[in-house]
Amino acid sequence: QVHLQEWGAGLVKPSETLSLTCAVYGGSFSDYYWTWIRQPPGKGLEWIGEINHRGSTEYYPSLKSRVTISMDTSKNHFSLKLTSVTAADTAVYYCAGGRGFVDLWGRGTLVTVSS
Amino acid sequence: QSVLTQPPSVSGAPGQRVTISCTGSTSNIGTRYEVHWYQQLPGTAPKLLIFANSNRPSGVPDRFTGSKSGTSASLAITGLQAEDEADYYCQSYDSSLNAWVFGGGTKLTVL
Repeated sequence: QVHLQEWGAGLVKPSETLSLTCAVYGGSFSDYYWTWIRQPPGKGLEWIGEINHRGSTEYYPSLKSRVTISMDTSKNHFSLKLTSVTAADTAVYYCAGGRGFVDLWGRGTLVTVSS
Repeated sequence: QSVLTQPPSVSGAPGQRVTISCTGSTSNIGTRYEVHWYQQLPGTAPKLLIFANSNRPSGVPDRFTGSKSGTSASLAITGLQAEDEADYYCQSYDSSLNAWVFGGGTKLTVL
């Protein structure tokens, strides 16, 4: 049974960089595309981007200039960095996995952008 | 403003049937891209409900049915139960954005 666990700073100051990491337990890291999805409080899901087993990435256009998704296959980890954050980036961030559809989800971690 | 449009809310009595629509365009649902549906219970991560337009993962009851036609897709839930009260999201790929996109979500209330 594959499961995901994300961690990172829960409070980030405006203009700084949000950093999260997700560990993949119990499965083959190369079987999935690894994805970050966020959900602002009281709002819907937003796809941030994904990385595949070859290290190729895709990002949502409006976030592309600020986002980097990377992976460390030796640790079965993948990470999200979002630069120059504002209050609009406050959200629950989910790490997730799948091929097209998402069938693996982390529990989500709330990141608040505030000074 | 979501690329895929869903009604903000739907409701139904226990035992009834409800449908949730997901309307896209010729750059997403209207092409070869498939539609997936997720259920998000309060305070939890989303869960895959329907994949590739109409397929149910193991463990999802057959009360949940997905379909796709033209630039729209639908999720039907029959025999409504109290535990179906949740938010539902559709997802597809958009070729003009080169990105996955979600609908805005629909809150299902079981009366």
